[in-house]
Parts: sequence; structure tokens; C-alpha cells
Amino acid sequence: DGGITQSPKYLFRKEGQNVTLSCEQNLNHDAMYWYRQDPGQGLRLIYYSQIVNDFQKGDIAEGYSVSREKKESFPLTVTSAQKNPTAFYLCASSRSDTQYFGPGTRLTVL
Amino acid sequence: EDKVVQSPLSLVVHEGDTVTLNCSYEVTNFRSLLWYKQEKKAPTFLFMLTSSGIEKKSGRLSSILDKKELFSILNITATQTGDSAIYLCAVGNQRSGSARQLTFGSGTQLTVLP
Repeated sequence: DGGITQSPKYLFRKEGQNVTLSCEQNLNHDAMYWYRQDPGQGLRLIYYSQIVNDFQKGDIAEGYSVSREKKESFPLTVTSAQKNPTAFYLCASSRSDTQYFGPGTRLTVL
Repeated sequence: EDKVVQSPLSLVVHEGDTVTLNCSYEVTNFRSLLWYKQEKKAPTFLFMLTSSGIEKKSGRLSSILDKKELFSILNITATQTGDSAIYLCAVGNQRSGSARQLTFGSGTQLTVLP
């Protein structure tokens, strides 16, 4: 089946630890995106990548890092520098304007 | 700064009612306006609108765009409990180079009571 997968579904971490969220797609899309969703705030763009080995900061990139070594994969690392990392993280991919989303990872920092 | 504003923020109706959700926007280099439905997890794509005045329809859902007044509406007729969800509006804009990004509104939480 074609689609976008994210893992894990739920993630708990202690404050001060880095954590990496996985995003994989087999839709052959060039562009991939990471969003953060907080209650009542819609989706905010963290990072995006148009092609392999290239990525750009979105609106709220501070405290996050990404890599794009393969077309299918766009992992997001939430670093200890992110002040308020507890949130729902969504990955998306697209070929055109329409973005398709993965099921999300809910990160809770204790 | 690009801005997408949705209203109302939340709405509670009974099954069978008709609802209208609103989305207004201020973006530079407008490309498209998209509607998504988000139940518990991933937003699922509903419509993409690029031209004014042309209604897109899928079953009980329909949407239209007004590029002069910078807004779109999403209509749901004969609502069902399964329509309960957050409805997200997003606007696609052409930023530097070939980047295609979406700016999202905060969503409308629709609750349909039996």
C-alpha cells in the first residue's frame, strides 16, 4: 500500500534528552514536511525538504533538526534546546500543492 | 506575514443540520486553498480550490473560493455524527525558488450530536 508512515505513535522522554521521530513515504514524492500541532493552534511548519540532501527551515525551526539522505525518509530530531517539545508531530509529503499526511507522533516530555 | 483565519473556532449542531465553515486569508503569491478533515490523527484531504466561483462537491460536502474577497466556505449538508472532526483550511503560496508551502488556519472543531 502507498502511504506515509510515522513511528512511534506515542513517545515519552525525559527533559534534556534528544529524540528522533521517523517519517517514511513510498509515494515517490519529492517534497516532505514536518509540522507541529498544539491545541487550538492549527499546524505550524517546522522544516521542509524539496529534494534529497536539501532542506529549509519553516516558521518554528528552533530546537529541531532534520536530514534528508533518502527520498523516502525525513527524520526529525527534537533537541534539548526546544523549550516546549510536548506536542503532536505530523509529517507530510507532496508532489504538488496537495500534501498528504502521516498518522502523527504524540511526543510527551516529562 | 501570511495569515489564515477560520471561523467559527467551534460549532455544535444536531444530525441533519447544515453547517457553513469559513476561511479567510491574507497571503502573498496565492496558489491554492485546501480543506482537510482531521478526526483523531492525520488530516485527510477534502478539496483543493484554485479558481474563484467554481464549486467543488463531494457527496454532502461542497466548497467555493472567492479570490477577490479572499475567502472560502465549506458547506456540509445533512450532517452526520461521522462529520465530527476538526476542519482545517490551508493556503498554498509560492515562496522563494520552487518552494511550495501551506499556511494553516487554527481549524474549526465541529461536533455533530445524534
